Amino acid sequence: EAQVTQNPRYLITVTGKKLTVTCSQNMNHEYMSWYRQDPGLGLRQIYYSMNVEVTDKGDVPEGYKVSRKEKRNFPLILESPSPNQTSLYFCATLRSGTDTQYFGPGTRLTVL
Amino acid sequence: DAKTTQPTSMDCAEGRAANLPCNHSTISGNEYVYWYRQIHSQGPQYIIHGLKNNETNEMASLIITEDRKSSTLILPHATLRDTAVYYCIVKAGGTSYGKLTFGQGTILTVHP
Repeated sequence: EAQVTQNPRYLITVTGKKLTVTCSQNMNHEYMSWYRQDPGLGLRQIYYSMNVEVTDKGDVPEGYKVSRKEKRNFPLILESPSPNQTSLYFCATLRSGTDTQYFGPGTRLTVL
Repeated sequence: DAKTTQPTSMDCAEGRAANLPCNHSTISGNEYVYWYRQIHSQGPQYIIHGLKNNETNEMASLIITEDRKSSTLILPHATLRDTAVYYCIVKAGGTSYGKLTFGQGTILTVHP
């Protein structure tokens, strides 16, 4: 079954404690991205990756890092989380030649 | 990417067709109409897309007016599980490649 998986699904942490949210896909898609969703602000793109070792900033990259060492994985790293990064995070992949995106189930992060 | 306008909310009886309208009067010739939906706090789900011809898949039908200034997503036999926020997105292929801009969408509530 084609899918995008994220882990963890829920996380409560404290300010400054480094964390990583993993994203994995089995569709062999080259393009992957991270979004955050906040009430009243919709989905906003954080980072994206066109292919292995190619990443670029989206609209709200501050406070986040990503890496793309292999095609299937695209982890989101928060080196020093802050309360304003409390949000619902989605990883997504894109089928080449279209704008059809496949989203993961989401990770709800709370930073205290 | 062209701006879209959707009603804030709509109701539908279970088993009946749900017709969700979207206005995109400034759409350009190379822009596609995409529909996604998001069931409460889950990852957005691709439904259908089209350029100028009507489209149908296993989930829904998309009717685009001849002047392409508006479209209607049709769920032919709505079920309670179709209760979700539906997003109409207009996007040119290649422009801001991969980044989806979600508006406020239409909250569809399907009643028993």
